[in-house]
Amino acid sequence: GAVVSQHPSWVICKSGTSVKIECRSLDFQATTMFWYRQFPKQSLMLMATSNEGSKATYEQGVEKDKFLINHASLTLSTLTVTSAHPEDSSFYICSARGRTGGTDTQYFGPGTRLTVL
Amino acid sequence: RKEVEQDPGPFNVPEGATVAFNCTYSNSASQSFFWYRQDCRKEPKLLMSVYSSGNEDGRFTAQLNRASQYISLLIRDSKLSDSATYLCVVNVDPRGTYKYIFGTGTRLKVLA
Repeated sequence: GAVVSQHPSWVICKSGTSVKIECRSLDFQATTMFWYRQFPKQSLMLMATSNEGSKATYEQGVEKDKFLINHASLTLSTLTVTSAHPEDSSFYICSARGRTGGTDTQYFGPGTRLTVL
Repeated sequence: RKEVEQDPGPFNVPEGATVAFNCTYSNSASQSFFWYRQDCRKEPKLLMSVYSSGNEDGRFTAQLNRASQYISLLIRDSKLSDSATYLCVVNVDPRGTYKYIFGTGTRLKVLA
């Protein structure tokens, strides 16, 4: 099946620093990638939709200047959390849209656990 | 009202039991439906898509009731390895942009 990787799998950083998370589709081209955030015991919340070669579409309440998304190629999207603060600590998961058995589905990366001190 | 609602559980069942989860969605224009499984501190993994006619995959059966706007997942002969959180996922954008809305998940614990 389709594989999506994320790097790093976990990161600890100081408040005020920026953190970049990479999401790659390994065996298929993904014109659309999605970035989610999941706080403990809560559901995945869509942050933004990333389309290759165009600006990301952010969900309501997500600051586009704080969460910078770049989708420069069909296999790579990056999320940069700028000036991270402790409240940004969360599990960040990307997904890539692919097609299996004639059905479009989303394949998820393994997630990146961010802890901001 | 949440767009996708699930009973958070936990459902504690003995091995071999049959357990069913329901999920309701609010947007009648929702196009596609899925059940994902999420293990603790891991990413969600697709368990199965849900089709209007209902579908089965081994011990798992999914059904969709569009009139009542709910989806169900039935697990027969529960295994210890079935312990996880089961996420109901709905694609709510009729334009096919595949924007997924996740339920909060139903936690299942299968006991020996």
